[in-house]
Amino acid sequence: EPEVTQTPSHQVTQMGQEVILRCVPISNHLYFYWYRQILGQKVEFLVSFYNNEISEKSEIFDDQFSVERPDGSNFTLKIRSTKLEDSAMYFCASSISKGVDTQYFGPGTRLTVL
Amino acid sequence: GENVGLHLPTLSVQEGDNSIINCAYSNSASDYFIWYKQESGKGPQFIIDIRSNMDKRQGQRVTVLLNKTVKHLSLQIAATQPGDSAVYFCAENPLSGGYNKLIFGAGTRLAVHP
Repeated sequence: EPEVTQTPSHQVTQMGQEVILRCVPISNHLYFYWYRQILGQKVEFLVSFYNNEISEKSEIFDDQFSVERPDGSNFTLKIRSTKLEDSAMYFCASSISKGVDTQYFGPGTRLTVL
Repeated sequence: GENVGLHLPTLSVQEGDNSIINCAYSNSASDYFIWYKQESGKGPQFIIDIRSNMDKRQGQRVTVLLNKTVKHLSLQIAATQPGDSAVYFCAENPLSGGYNKLIFGAGTRLAVHP
């Protein structure tokens, strides 16, 4: 069964450093998403992406964040200058279409900012 | 702002019993609702969904009920098994606003005891 994959599973970085989180969505999916989950809290939407551009973003997704689909398979989330409060699980998701369509989630990347 | 919340943070059941997990939502314009299961260290796993034009949908051992009058969503798990132990999130997708993001509730932890 196809699934969303994410790398790395755990990323440790120093405050102020740049990190890139990688995702490979399900191959025939066209819509891609990033969510985050701070430890013990609910999952929060960050950004949705379609046709090589951001279709929606939350207030969390400020200028420190960017997303890119550098090739036909990868979807990345970059945090330019990490802060302590960026420590969280970051989940990538994808769906075939928008609207009434299931978003399938990857296993997540745990980001720890020291 | 709009939010999706859960009545019970934890639910303990005996193996073989039926479980009911509840969720209240406040966005009356939401069109689409999903239940996800999240096991420790993993991403949210799709369980079942329902459109706002339905009030009940059944899957394998799971049933989702939607009461739009009181803006309430529930997940029923029949013959609960130890493998059902996880955190369960309801999520809504306010499609009518042209959005394609999931708004998650706080989560309910289901603990199944032998």
